[in-house]
Amino acid sequence: DGGITQSPKYLFRKEGQNVTLSCEQNLNHDAMYWYRQDPGQGLRLIYYSQIVNDFQKGDIAEGYSVSREKKESFPLTVTSAQKNPTAFYLCASSMGLSDTIYFGEGSWLTVV
Amino acid sequence: QKEVEQNSGPLSVPEGAIASLNCTYSDRVSQSFFWYRQYSGKSPELIMSIYSNGDKEDGRFTAQLNKASQYVSLLIRDSQPSDSATYLCAPYSGYALNFGKGTSLLVTP
Repeated sequence: DGGITQSPKYLFRKEGQNVTLSCEQNLNHDAMYWYRQDPGQGLRLIYYSQIVNDFQKGDIAEGYSVSREKKESFPLTVTSAQKNPTAFYLCASSMGLSDTIYFGEGSWLTVV
Repeated sequence: QKEVEQNSGPLSVPEGAIASLNCTYSDRVSQSFFWYRQYSGKSPELIMSIYSNGDKEDGRFTAQLNKASQYVSLLIRDSQPSDSATYLCAPYSGYALNFGKGTSLLVTP
């Protein structure tokens, strides 16, 4: 089946640790995105990538890093510099910028 | 900051009624607009998109766009309890979707 796969679905992190969230898509989409959602809030853009080996900061990139070495993959690392990382993280993709965006099932990150 | 404003609700409608969800946006250059539905604890799923002024119908859903007023709305006809969810308005702003906080809809049997 075509789609966007995020893993893990649930992740617990100790303070001071880096964690990496995986995002893989088999839709042959060029553009990929990471959003963060806090309870009762809208989605906020962390990073986006239009093509392989290129990515840009979104509105809340501080404390996060990404890579885009393959078209299918866009992993997100939540670093220890991110002061309040507990949130629902959503990976998404689209054929290109301005095209319809489709979401993965999300990853819940909790800092303990 | 490009803003997207939605009434947080909850908007409560009886089953079978029309639910009307509204959204205003600040980015005048936005050309495409999307409505997503999000159930609690789940990821957003696309309902429909609209690009031109006027109405666009898809089954029980109708999106309405007025770029001059920077206003977009979603009507849900014959509302069902399964429509109870949060509805997110998302205009494209430059390089990605810019989301509102969403309107919570409750359809009561």
